[in-house]
Amino acid sequence: TQLLEQSPQFLSIQEGENLTVYCNSSSVFSSLQWYRQEPGEGPVLLVTVVTGGEVKKLKRLTFQFGDARKDSSLHITAAQPGDTGLYLCAGAYNQGGKLIFGQGTELSVKP
Amino acid sequence: EAGVTQFPSHSVIEKGQTVTLRCDPISGHDNLYWYRRVMGKEIKFLLHFVKESKQDESGMPNNRFLAERTGGTYSTLKVQPAELEDSGVYFCASSQEQGAIQETQYFGPGTRLLVL
Repeated sequence: TQLLEQSPQFLSIQEGENLTVYCNSSSVFSSLQWYRQEPGEGPVLLVTVVTGGEVKKLKRLTFQFGDARKDSSLHITAAQPGDTGLYLCAGAYNQGGKLIFGQGTELSVKP
Repeated sequence: EAGVTQFPSHSVIEKGQTVTLRCDPISGHDNLYWYRRVMGKEIKFLLHFVKESKQDESGMPNNRFLAERTGGTYSTLKVQPAELEDSGVYFCASSQEQGAIQETQYFGPGTRLLVL
């Protein structure tokens, strides 16, 4: 049973386009994190959202936590080839402790 | 400050053999986590140490897997005997303070295990 559904799994777009990645669950999380992973490396934390309805921005990346804390989205504006990589969402039920990961979104931005 | 390191980076073994993976967390981090990603699946939690104690081992797949963290520093994860389905990437992560709403887990580069 997949506790955190992430979509799409693969996304190939042209430079300058916008995109949104979604993470959905039937469970309520105390926090949700977004990671980016490069080949041969481990996931690197981008942002943590903890409050329902919270929106955080990191340059061209906008992260949103759903009001009910069951879902989240990552929106990238004007994607660049440097944004290419694997994006992962992960939820935590408690303050700290194990993370529940989505399947990941493999993003390819072509120049 | 050195990040989380894992050894080896790659391991290829035959079914039935034993493999031991090592993780060195960031110095001073009490929390150490093991995760695994098998082909085509999401990263899944295996277990969590707080210092030398196992806080949560609910993700350990079976008794062929043994994790230790003697002295509360580095950790080892031993698979004995290895099976084909154990192939995947094993990640270690460490964090400084559990209980913080924004606890940050720092991940190592992973060990890629292939069981033939």
